[in-house]
Amino acid sequence: DVKVTQSSRYLVKRTGEKVFLECVQDMDHENMFWYRQDPGLGLRLIYFSYDVKMKEKGDIPEGYSVSREKKERFSLILESASTNQTSMYLCASSFYAAGVPFFGPGTRLTVL
Amino acid sequence: GDSVTQMEGPVTLSEEAFLTINCTYTATGYPSLFWYVQYPGEGLQLLLKATKADDKGSNKGFEATYRKETTSFHLEKGSVQVSDSAVYFCALSGGYQGAQKLVFGQGTRLTINP
Repeated sequence: DVKVTQSSRYLVKRTGEKVFLECVQDMDHENMFWYRQDPGLGLRLIYFSYDVKMKEKGDIPEGYSVSREKKERFSLILESASTNQTSMYLCASSFYAAGVPFFGPGTRLTVL
Repeated sequence: GDSVTQMEGPVTLSEEAFLTINCTYTATGYPSLFWYVQYPGEGLQLLLKATKADDKGSNKGFEATYRKETTSFHLEKGSVQVSDSAVYFCALSGGYQGAQKLVFGQGTRLTINP
């Protein structure tokens, strides 16, 4: 079975802190994604990557950056966390071309 | 741009009731359509999918038919169980350089009472 793991299930940070959310997949998938999930808004794409060191902005990239130095790992970075970034963050991965994304369990981030 | 609209929730039903969760979409081209389910405290799991018009996706007693003429992909189940309580998301794919980049609806919370 495909496994997508995220470094933390719950995280509490303070405004202005730099925050790293890590995602690792074990199926050699080319594509990786970061979404945030908010009530009433569904899931919105922040960034995705279709290869090592490649990244593309999604629908809501402001305030975020990403890093993909190895194929299996995709990191989401909040350079200076703000309270409006309190949310559930979901990572996903898929095979190149028509692969259906598999999701990790999510990280619930609270910024105080 | 592409978008997905789901029926407003929450939805509360009794066990063994018939379920319909409406989903309509707006998209250019010919998207693939998906239903994902999120159980409490977990990530999203693919429930079913359909890749072309008139296709029917099915899994665990759930079904949805890709209707191009009405741009819909409604989720149905004939007899729901308490274990079906979850949040359900309709989504479509917006392919970009081969990546299945999904556009999601807002989600519908389903609660089944015994």
